[in-house]
Amino acid sequence: AQSVTQLDSQVPVFEEAPVELRCNYSSSVSVYLFWYVQYPNQGLQLLLKYLSGSTLVESINGFEAEFNKSQTSFHLRKPSVHISDTAEYFCAVSLSGGYQKVTFGTGTKLQVIP
Amino acid sequence: DAGVTQSPTHLIKTRGQQVTLRCSPKSGHDTVSWYQQALGQGPQFIFQYYEEEERQRGNFPDRFSGHQFPNYSSELNVNALLLGDSALYLCASSRGSLREQYFGPGTRLTVT
Repeated sequence: AQSVTQLDSQVPVFEEAPVELRCNYSSSVSVYLFWYVQYPNQGLQLLLKYLSGSTLVESINGFEAEFNKSQTSFHLRKPSVHISDTAEYFCAVSLSGGYQKVTFGTGTKLQVIP
Repeated sequence: DAGVTQSPTHLIKTRGQQVTLRCSPKSGHDTVSWYQQALGQGPQFIFQYYEEEERQRGNFPDRFSGHQFPNYSSELNVNALLLGDSALYLCASSRGSLREQYFGPGTRLTVT
């Protein structure tokens, strides 16, 4: 079975500073990887995904994540954060192929400080 | 195009009662998954429905059951509610085997 580890429960960062949210997964077979964002009192929104192809994936609002198979990681990065990025971010993994469930990490709260 | 909708938004129940939560998937989606998100935790997979059948199930007791209707909408039923069932219940829809899921806003269930 697959699993996801998000080691950082909270990450405070000043506005316009860079940020990295860490995600490591465990699986013996190929996987799909996702980052979701959850704003207060809302559901989850898909931020970006890795299914195949280029290991670097980008979102429309400046976030990017790189799939690193050797390190089993899918860290999320943004070169300059805004106040509006304050939210909780969840990394998720699914086995590739067939009908597989999605397993979520415990989340990282990103707090952007003015 | 309406996204995933869930009802009700909030619900308060007493221990031992039963509850039904509802979900309408995004247009064009035929697969519905349900998740439980306890406070401060990530979503935990409950089960997934496709073609009106439960296709996969997570580690939840039989008190949790569901149904999918011919129009792809779905219900989550929880019997004999426990205090520990208090959580945000999220519904997510997708199309076929695609793993890209769209989430609804959730139903906040409080069990007293």
